[in-house]
Amino acid sequence: EVQLVESGGGLVQPGRSLRLSCTASGFTFGDYAMSWVRQAPGKGLEWVGFIRSKAYGGTTEYAASVKGRFTISRDDSKSIAYLQMNSLKTEDTAVYYCTSSLGYWGQGTLVTVSS
Amino acid sequence: DIVMTQTPLSSPVTLGQPASISCRSSQSLVHSDGNTYLSWLQQRPGQPPRLLIYKISNRFSGVPDRFSGSGAGTDFTLKISRVEAEDVGVYYCMQATQLFTFGPGTKVDIK
Repeated sequence: EVQLVESGGGLVQPGRSLRLSCTASGFTFGDYAMSWVRQAPGKGLEWVGFIRSKAYGGTTEYAASVKGRFTISRDDSKSIAYLQMNSLKTEDTAVYYCTSSLGYWGQGTLVTVSS
Repeated sequence: DIVMTQTPLSSPVTLGQPASISCRSSQSLVHSDGNTYLSWLQQRPGQPPRLLIYKISNRFSGVPDRFSGSGAGTDFTLKISRVEAEDVGVYYCMQATQLFTFGPGTKVDIK
């Protein structure tokens, strides 16, 4: 059974940093690109960024709203994708989902940016 | 950037009746590799999104055959042949031809 489990969310002050993790199981993690998508309270889905598989260079792409502040990385030996979020703003408050190019989604983790 | 629009934004439906959602992209979603990366996702209340359809018309694992997708280029449609109570939620189209963009979502509820 494919599972994606996000962790690391919580309450953080504006300007601070937070790192989210997405732990995968049930598929060959290294073969697939991994994306992060967020959903602000009561709003729609917003793509954050993704990381390609090593076979495609392991490179990353980001939405304009987070470029330069967020970094996605992966550890294929542990089947984990990370989202490092720096210089957080109140508008980054959202549920953050990880999703694989295989089509599966995690349950999400809530990040609240507030003083 | 590719912009995705959906109509309607809200769709009250009768149980057992069909429903249809349209999605339009601001430019063609045909990729240089020949594929069209247009997907449909369902988000039930309080749940994470779930992939229903990928590459216009392919049903994802476990998706009932009452869901179908069609379209080409910039115009796409999701159809539910007979709406069931468990189909209530918000439906998003998503393009992955040029990075990723989601439509605004269509809320489906029961009349």
